[in-house]
Amino acid sequence: GDSVTQMEGPVTLSEEAFLTINCTYTATGYPSLFWYVQYPGEGLQLLLKATKADDKGSNKGFEATYRKETTSFHLEKGSVQVSDSAVYFCALSHTGANSKLTFGKGITLSVRP
Amino acid sequence: DAGVIQSPRHEVTEMGQEVTLRCKPISGHDYLFWYRQTMMRGLELLIYFNNNVPIDDSGMPEDRFSAKMPNASFSTLKIQPSEPRDSAVYFCASRRGLAGHEQFFGPGTRLTVL
Repeated sequence: GDSVTQMEGPVTLSEEAFLTINCTYTATGYPSLFWYVQYPGEGLQLLLKATKADDKGSNKGFEATYRKETTSFHLEKGSVQVSDSAVYFCALSHTGANSKLTFGKGITLSVRP
Repeated sequence: DAGVIQSPRHEVTEMGQEVTLRCKPISGHDYLFWYRQTMMRGLELLIYFNNNVPIDDSGMPEDRFSAKMPNASFSTLKIQPSEPRDSAVYFCASRRGLAGHEQFFGPGTRLTVL
């Protein structure tokens, strides 16, 4: 079945540092890929997505590129802020009518001032 | 739009009691999902509905858990009887149309079973 693997956390960075959070997946066909973010005390919200190979999703300075050859969707940001402290989830979904999201375990990011 | 609405936001109950969690999806969304989040197990999909019909309940942990969606604007997740290991944050989410579309999450209900 489908699965999503995220790097182990937590991750602690200083403000303005470069961020990379690794995500790889196992799935048949060509799923859509997502990054969701969960701020403290809140539900998850979509950060960015990509629906086909070589697509780049971007939002709020974050980027991720759909790499079919390496089955990866790594999240990057050039300069993190304290307000980026949150839990980040990588996820995939097929496009069938009743498909569901398959989430990774999530990784906690803490950014120090 | 008000977003996905969940109630209560916090629930503290004693083992053996019945617990009912409520969710109002975003108007016009035809999919509704119930998730459970714990430190140990992460985010788990319990059940989801399409047009008020349960599609996949394979994530429901056991018969103590049940979910209903009597109409397009309301769903409940019931635990009877509750146990301490049910303590978690329960999220409801909704989506309009196909799986490539964004799923919108509610703020969650934090359940503590003593």
